[in-house]
Amino acid sequence: EAGVTQFPSHSVIEKGQTVTLRCDPISGHDNLYWYRRVMGKEIKFLLHFVKESKQDESGMPNNRFLAERTGGTYSTLKVQPAELEDSGVYFCASGSIDQLHFNEQFFGPGTRLTVL
Amino acid sequence: AQTVTQSQPEMSVQEAETVTLSCTYDTSESDYYLFWYKQPPSRQMILVIRQEAYKQQNATENRFSVNFQKAAKSFSLKISDSQLGDAAMYFCAYREGAQKLVFGQGTRLTINP
Repeated sequence: EAGVTQFPSHSVIEKGQTVTLRCDPISGHDNLYWYRRVMGKEIKFLLHFVKESKQDESGMPNNRFLAERTGGTYSTLKVQPAELEDSGVYFCASGSIDQLHFNEQFFGPGTRLTVL
Repeated sequence: AQTVTQSQPEMSVQEAETVTLSCTYDTSESDYYLFWYKQPPSRQMILVIRQEAYKQQNATENRFSVNFQKAAKSFSLKISDSQLGDAAMYFCAYREGAQKLVFGQGTRLTINP
């Protein structure tokens, strides 16, 4: 079974530019989460999709961030325009609605974003 | 809001010895899950062990075990017979239902050969 994949693995952009991160969850997983870790701090929740619907977007920092999950499959997270403080590692996780597996979240390798 | 605190930014242990990583959390809920995740260098985060709050018995997975003290809101991870492959960042996390994970700051564990 393929795991959660994220693209790109690294992205270096200048302040003011736009970047789009992509996450492909494990096939069949309805839950998809975005998290980020900024400057060695704790990993913080951004938002949660159930299929194509946003279940919880309370962690989105501001309106420069836009997440989509068209068709309930892969998800994109766009940052426009990027600011210096957006630098960090963006993680995606997916999980099934399956009590047997305690709704475990499986993480992708992350995208390291550097804004210069 | 729920918070998770890992007070040890870095820990080191000799290979084959035992190490304990600390984690405390704050919640007013009675039903929740606690997790330890491991992130090896340049690799993705994987689940090490989990504990359901309603279970009094401490979870164990091979060399990994937890000491879950619900009243004290403490959830420490013990790694026995440490191996070089255990070197990683370890994150303690809290979750209610299928909702978001709340993470601690992480503890970087170094294994000395």
